[in-house]
Amino acid sequence: GENVEQHPSTLSVQEGDSAVIKCTYSDSASNYFPWYKQELGKRPQLIIDIRSNVGEKKDQRIAVTLNKTAKHFSLHITETQPEDSAVYFCAASKDDKIIFGKGTRLHILP
Amino acid sequence: DAGITQSPRYKITETGRQVTLMCHQTWSHSYMFWYRQDLGHGLRLIYYSAAADITDKGEVPDGYVVSRSKTENFPLTLESATRSQTSVYFCASSEVKNEQFFGPGTRLTVL
Repeated sequence: GENVEQHPSTLSVQEGDSAVIKCTYSDSASNYFPWYKQELGKRPQLIIDIRSNVGEKKDQRIAVTLNKTAKHFSLHITETQPEDSAVYFCAASKDDKIIFGKGTRLHILP
Repeated sequence: DAGITQSPRYKITETGRQVTLMCHQTWSHSYMFWYRQDLGHGLRLIYYSAAADITDKGEVPDGYVVSRSKTENFPLTLESATRSQTSVYFCASSEVKNEQFFGPGTRLTVL
């Protein structure tokens, strides 16, 4: 089955700097790659997703890139703000189910 | 987000007892999912359902049972709870290959 690896497990960046989280997946047939943000004590919520026919997608300060050949995808957050502090999960899907990575805890330092 | 609810929100039970966690969604989404969240493991899929009366195993199905007699409900039953099933359980719903909407979670403690 699909396996999703996510790195790093913890990331600390200065406010205003950029943050990058990387994921790899094992099943080359996967074609949908969402990213979820989970604030402390709350439920995960979708922040951006990308499908395999697209190499990059942006939404304001957030962007995701996909390299199908290498089977990896990344989340980029620019101009980080305190409210970006959370756990971020990448995921991959080819059929009905979505398999998540183990998460990255992002700390924004003042 | 009020469209998907879970009950109870907190539950303490003892080893060997049967526990049922409820999930209800009002969007008429075809798909529903159960995940467990444990520190260091992220979100792991337990079971999912593509429609009423259709269910399938996820990554960690052992010790759990699901049913889906109605589109809007997807209960998860722990037939004989074990301490290793202490976790936060999230239900989610979606249409295929679209955003999954998560419920608020149920924190289950098995003593």
